[in-house]
Amino acid sequence: GAGVSQSPRYKVAKRGQDVALRCDPISGHVSLFWYQQALGQGPEFLTYFQNEAQLDKSGLPSDRFFAERPEGSVSTLKIQRTQQEDSAVYLCASRYSQGATNEKLFFGSGTQLSVL
Amino acid sequence: AQSVTQPDIHITVSEGASLELRCNYSYGATPYLFWYVQSPGQGLQLLLKYFSGDTLVQGIKGFEAEFKRSQSSFNLRKPSVHWSDAAEYFCAVAIPGFQKLVFGTGTRLLVSP
Repeated sequence: GAGVSQSPRYKVAKRGQDVALRCDPISGHVSLFWYQQALGQGPEFLTYFQNEAQLDKSGLPSDRFFAERPEGSVSTLKIQRTQQEDSAVYLCASRYSQGATNEKLFFGSGTQLSVL
Repeated sequence: AQSVTQPDIHITVSEGASLELRCNYSYGATPYLFWYVQSPGQGLQLLLKYFSGDTLVQGIKGFEAEFKRSQSSFNLRKPSVHWSDAAEYFCAVAIPGFQKLVFGTGTRLLVSP
């Protein structure tokens, strides 16, 4: 596709429900990132994939958060037993190369999660 | 750990006036430095980046930024602001060899007629 695609665009969940957020990176992009952006804050790193390998998950806030990228393309961020503090915009980003930290990241428009 | 400070939460500038958004970082060496812009409902778009070399970098949409090592700053500037520049601006740093970006809390730019 032309850019990074995320779905759904909006998600409302009741507290305690599980949610799954999808990211379709740009075709051929090796690196994929998930960020969490709370209201009025900058994005915060959650996790990083290189192809299908999850190389860094240091930003995941709890064991309720789980991300996968089984075939090295589409990625899913899953949040179990959602809490109100999980309400945020979840951003996905991809990059063509694997190691070039200075290379441009392409961001999706995000999924806005509201937990009631 | 590295951190990024954007001291101005909101800035209002008249259309046609000049703009400077401040960014300071905390890190022992020189990180990679970035400015991103985020419009409502849009993803983050890269305006410019600094890795090394010339400390004045040019970006898209007429923006530029200057890296000042002595002040640990990377301020964003534009000589003449357009109404379409109204958005949220984020400064970010990356440590060479590490993958993640660390973002500041952002500065919301309002443009008055």
